[in-house]
Amino acid sequence: AQSVSQHNHHVILSEAASLELGCNYSYGGTVNLFWYVQYPGQHLQLLLKYFSGDPLVKGIKGFEAEFIKSKFSFNLRKPSVQWSDTAEYFCAVTPYSGAGSYQLTFGKGTKLSVIP
Amino acid sequence: DGGITQSPKYLFRKEGQNVTLSCEQNLNHDAMYWYRQDPGQGLRLIYYSQIVNDFQKGDIAEGYSVSREKKESFPLTVTSAQKNPTAFYLCASSIGRFGGRASDEQFFGPGTRLTVL
Repeated sequence: AQSVSQHNHHVILSEAASLELGCNYSYGGTVNLFWYVQYPGQHLQLLLKYFSGDPLVKGIKGFEAEFIKSKFSFNLRKPSVQWSDTAEYFCAVTPYSGAGSYQLTFGKGTKLSVIP
Repeated sequence: DGGITQSPKYLFRKEGQNVTLSCEQNLNHDAMYWYRQDPGQGLRLIYYSQIVNDFQKGDIAEGYSVSREKKESFPLTVTSAQKNPTAFYLCASSIGRFGGRASDEQFFGPGTRLTVL
């Protein structure tokens, strides 16, 4: 079974600092990759996704992520964070089978606190 | 407005009682899922259903049961056999097997926080 590792449990940044959240997965085949965000009191929503093609994907609110296949990584980045980015971020992976795998595996999440 | 609704938002039950959590979607999705979220644990899959009248156990199905009688609905019952039922429960849906690669993108409801006293 695949697993997902998020390196940081809690990250604290000042506004305008750059952000990089690490995500590594263990699965040798083709994968679909996702980052979800959970703002305080809100439901989980999709930030960005990678299926195929350009390994640098852009999502909502200025976030981007880079898929590095050789490193089994899908790190999330943002050049300049805002207080409103305070949330919990989840990396998720599923093996791609063509017919839907129904087995989305989540990392344990990284809490981001942005100080004004 | 398409989406997933879960009710209620907060639920309290006494130990030893079964409780059923509601999940309804109007996205016309074939697949539906139940996850449990605990602090520092991420989301763990309880059950999923690829299509009406079919469902499969996830990683932590013990003490839970589901039904899928309608495409729109996927209720989860937390039984008295679940040893640690207090948690945040999330329902999700996806297009399903005819969605190609997009079939793996899941959409989430607002969640139900269950507290067992």
